[in-house]
Amino acid sequence: QKEVEQNSGPLSVPEGAIASLNCTYSDRGSQSFFWYRQYSGKSPELIMFIYSNGDKEDGRFTAQLNKASQYVSLLIRDSQPSDSATYLCAVKKNTGFQKLVFGTGTRLLVSP
Amino acid sequence: DGGITQSPKYLFRKEGQNVTLSCEQNLNHDAMYWYRQDPGQGLRLIYYSQIVNDFQKGDIAEGYSVSREKKESFPLTVTSAQKNPTAFYLCASSIRRSRLAGEDTQYFGPGTRLTVL
Repeated sequence: QKEVEQNSGPLSVPEGAIASLNCTYSDRGSQSFFWYRQYSGKSPELIMFIYSNGDKEDGRFTAQLNKASQYVSLLIRDSQPSDSATYLCAVKKNTGFQKLVFGTGTRLLVSP
Repeated sequence: DGGITQSPKYLFRKEGQNVTLSCEQNLNHDAMYWYRQDPGQGLRLIYYSQIVNDFQKGDIAEGYSVSREKKESFPLTVTSAQKNPTAFYLCASSIRRSRLAGEDTQYFGPGTRLTVL
């Protein structure tokens, strides 16, 4: 079992729809969860982080964390073609060092 | 502007050659990291440094070396011992100790794409 798992996709949604990206993790003691967006050939850029159970909203993005079920998700409302990218989930393990474990990413395609 | 810079953007290496990738940050971050990204795989940690003059091996350190002589700089050398070095290399940095949510976030440089000829 991978430490952080994501469906590789592609996830295809029409413009204006809600895109739902999911991530599961194996270390129950994980404390911090991050979503990065990576355009083809570019480096990852932070979208948002979440630490507490529940929802966290930032503009069109909502991160949802359920520690009991060990999953974190990212919702993108009103999806735009410019949202087409690979979305990486990263989990910080509960250690003294800030090691992040990355999933392999989900490719999102938003069609006009 | 504050940020992380990496150079060169593209690098070509011949067999048996050592090459050094540069990473500089002016964010006043204590911790710096090197990752490798291959197609279809997640980012894998090569080395990390939490403070000047100290660094530790990550998950795939074999064939790589680093130094941390200055807080702003964390160069990575890909040695001839690294048998499959073709990859996208990413440098990141973060505040080392943080009590506030989000302060431990890692921010990435633009990356260096290394190709073995």
